[in-house]
Amino acid sequence: NAGVMQNPRHLVRRRGQEARLRCSPMKGHSHVYWYRQLPEEGLKFMVYLQKENIIDESGMPKERFSAEFPKEGPSILRIQQVVRGDSAAYFCASSPLREWSTEAFFGQGTRLTVV
Amino acid sequence: QKEVEQNSGPLSVPEGAIASLNCTYSDRGSQSFFWYRQYSGKSPELIMSIYSNGDKEDGRFTAQLNKASQYVSLLIRDSQPSDSATYLCAAGMNRDDKIIFGKGTRLHILP
Repeated sequence: NAGVMQNPRHLVRRRGQEARLRCSPMKGHSHVYWYRQLPEEGLKFMVYLQKENIIDESGMPKERFSAEFPKEGPSILRIQQVVRGDSAAYFCASSPLREWSTEAFFGQGTRLTVV
Repeated sequence: QKEVEQNSGPLSVPEGAIASLNCTYSDRGSQSFFWYRQYSGKSPELIMSIYSNGDKEDGRFTAQLNKASQYVSLLIRDSQPSDSATYLCAAGMNRDDKIIFGKGTRLHILP
């Protein structure tokens, strides 16, 4: 059973370009989280999605950031017009559809560098 | 606002001793509790889940949950240098509520 797959592992973008980060959840998992982490800092929640639905986007910046989890295909975190401050590690985690458990499994992350 | 609190550390423990990591949470409705380990430059790795009051053991790890006190702990017996990492505590309710993470405790095992 493959784990959570994120790609690319490393992404370099110039200021003003768009960054697209992809996350394929574990087989059978229906929910996806996105987190951002700066070096030596904690995980910062961004968004929590299920297929075709955003459950909680309270951590998403109001501008330039969007996320989706379509019926088919991976979840996408999209950052438009990137700035240097967007440089960070972006982690995706997936969790199964169970009433009593929310345990989540993380992908390897995408390291975004804005130059 | 729902919060999970952890001491940021660093917590230094001699090799072979017991490392004790603690966490408190604010939402009494929380039902699921997790400990993750994160090595520098790597992604968090789930090491323990606990759902009921009491202790749960897995190898050298023991998770303890006290819902009345809203307190979760992780004990690591026979600490090894490879246990040096940041340990994240997390709490969840149900599938429609996101997991809340603490900021993590840095653990340093002294050889």
